[in-house]
Amino acid sequence: DQQVKQNSPSLSVQEGRISILNCDYTNSMFDYFLWYKKYPAEGPTFLISISSIKDKNEDGRFTVFLNKSAKHLSLHIVPSQPGDSAVYFCAGADRGSTLGRLYFGRGTQLTVWP
Amino acid sequence: SQTIHQWPATLVQPVGSPLSLECTVEGTSNPNLYWYRQAAGRGLQLLFYSVGIGQISSEVPQNLSASRPQDRQFILSSKKLLLSDSGFYLCAWSVLAGDTQYFGPGTRLTVL
Repeated sequence: DQQVKQNSPSLSVQEGRISILNCDYTNSMFDYFLWYKKYPAEGPTFLISISSIKDKNEDGRFTVFLNKSAKHLSLHIVPSQPGDSAVYFCAGADRGSTLGRLYFGRGTQLTVWP
Repeated sequence: SQTIHQWPATLVQPVGSPLSLECTVEGTSNPNLYWYRQAAGRGLQLLFYSVGIGQISSEVPQNLSASRPQDRQFILSSKKLLLSDSGFYLCAWSVLAGDTQYFGPGTRLTVL
């Protein structure tokens, strides 16, 4: 049972334009969401997070939006750069749970072309 | 600052051989520790997690096992590798359960 879903396996965007990566979740107990970036043969790197008490969090070129009613979050990258080409993973967590784990989506491969 | 190490970086093993992958974390105490596997073209599969020394929870029953002999050391083992054990193994740590996790550089395991 996949509690976090990234329905687009890939996304291709021109350099300088906006990249929008989407993520849906099913567990209404999730109160913390994260995005990770992963290059081939490397470990994922934490990018940005958002608590369920917020609907937006911004860090430089990266903004995460959370729509709790729709159980949907998105990551906006503006402007996109070729170095942003990587796999992006969305994750959710119920921080009140004793299990203490993150639930990851399957990832979206972002390609930014010049 | 905290750092996480994994070794080896790359490993090629024959089917039926044993496995031992090691992960250590520096700069923090009593971290939560995690082992993940990423198979080719797949997402991140949580294998084991530990909230303290000797405390291991398994997510996926298989021929792998994990141990935490010291506070900041996490070991992934197998007595007999299968072809299906090939993949990219990642160790991660967090301060609190359900909190941001920080990943190591990973180990590429190929079972032939």
